[in-house]
Amino acid sequence: DTGVSQDPRHKITKRGQNVTFRCDPISEHNRLYWYRQTLGQGPEFLTYFQNEAQLEKSRLLSDRFSAERPKGSFSTLEIQRTEQGDSAMYLCASQESLLNEQFFGPGTRLTVL
Amino acid sequence: KNEVEQSPQNLTAQEGEFITINCSYSVGISALHWLQQHPGGGIVSLFMLSSGKKKHGRLIATINIQEKHSSLHITASHPRDSAVYICAVSGSGAQKLVFGQGTRLTINP
Repeated sequence: DTGVSQDPRHKITKRGQNVTFRCDPISEHNRLYWYRQTLGQGPEFLTYFQNEAQLEKSRLLSDRFSAERPKGSFSTLEIQRTEQGDSAMYLCASQESLLNEQFFGPGTRLTVL
Repeated sequence: KNEVEQSPQNLTAQEGEFITINCSYSVGISALHWLQQHPGGGIVSLFMLSSGKKKHGRLIATINIQEKHSSLHITASHPRDSAVYICAVSGSGAQKLVFGQGTRLTINP
């Protein structure tokens, strides 16, 4: 399968713990996006990369959040000192630069107790 | 007011009915996307359009750029069409998606 993959699919953690999610995009796609979706809502943009450069960050991305894409391939999203409000589905999508369609991964569902 | 508004938020219909979901947006766009999300979270792109009309099987998407409005139609609806349908728009440059809140569609047999 050469689609977008995310790991883990589910994560349950206690408030105050750090968590890290991984996204592996489609190999030839140089744009990678992170979105967050809370229950009953549409997804919201968090950040995006063109190759290894992080080009835009939403103001939703507080200083507890950090994202990297060190070699322009996979990306990680880390949340430090998790809060219950961080509970959501975290979605990753990749895109070939000149084309508009984004391809989504299955998401990581985070539950903060 | 959200930049992308969908209606209705919930829609229940009987198998075979013609379905219409509407999307209005208030910003300039380079493309409008219709996405499908099944329980469990996976999102699949159905259409990406910047003008006119596209058709794929029983699904039809239209857009009116002047009115900033798009519709998604499903003909001969089937229970397997039950899902959340999300409208999203992308601008030029970053092309990040701005999403509507989604329409939960339930098709009863």
